[in-house]
Amino acid sequence: KAGVTQTPRYLIKTRGQQVTLSCSPISGHRSVSWYQQTPGQGLQFLFEYFSETQRNKGNFPGRFSGRQFSNSRSEMNVSTLELGDSALYLCASSAITGTGANVLTFGAGSRLTVL
Amino acid sequence: AQKITQTQPGMFVQEKEAVTLDCTYDTSDQSYGLFWYKQPSSGEMIFLIYQGSYDEQNATEGRYSLNFQKARKSANLVISASQLGDSAMYFCAMRPSYGNNRLAFGKGNQVVVIP
Repeated sequence: KAGVTQTPRYLIKTRGQQVTLSCSPISGHRSVSWYQQTPGQGLQFLFEYFSETQRNKGNFPGRFSGRQFSNSRSEMNVSTLELGDSALYLCASSAITGTGANVLTFGAGSRLTVL
Repeated sequence: AQKITQTQPGMFVQEKEAVTLDCTYDTSDQSYGLFWYKQPSSGEMIFLIYQGSYDEQNATEGRYSLNFQKARKSANLVISASQLGDSAMYFCAMRPSYGNNRLAFGKGNQVVVIP
């Protein structure tokens, strides 16, 4: 069974550019969540999508956006990149949302460096 | 709001010994779930163990066990018989039992297993 696949794994951008990261969940999983990990702030929740609808959003500026497609694949976009957006972006999928022991399975992450 | 605290400094553990990683939490929710994840240097978050707030028994998964003390709001992870492959960052996380998949993470504990 294939795991959660994130692409690209590494990328370098310059300030002001935009970036799109992709996440393919485990087959059959309908929930996709995104997290940002930095040395200073740790792991912070960005947003969650379930059946193409955003269910929850973290405390991030509007430059951070996402969407989910009918096949459950998700993308997140960051516009007008800032140096502080340099981070590991982790995607997690699960079969359902918001119930009991529902476990999130994470991908290997996309490491973004903003110069 | 939920808050997870992991304050131990980096730890060196002898191979085959047990190690306990501390996690305390704060929440106003009555029903919630607690998770431990492992993050090796590759970056992927690997699920280890889950404990529900109403579970009467401490959770166990192979060499991992969770020492859950609800009144003290602590959920310590115990790794028995450490192996070299256990060297990683370990994160404690929690989520309300119902509503969404939004995990709140602690800052993590660094563990290095030495032969």
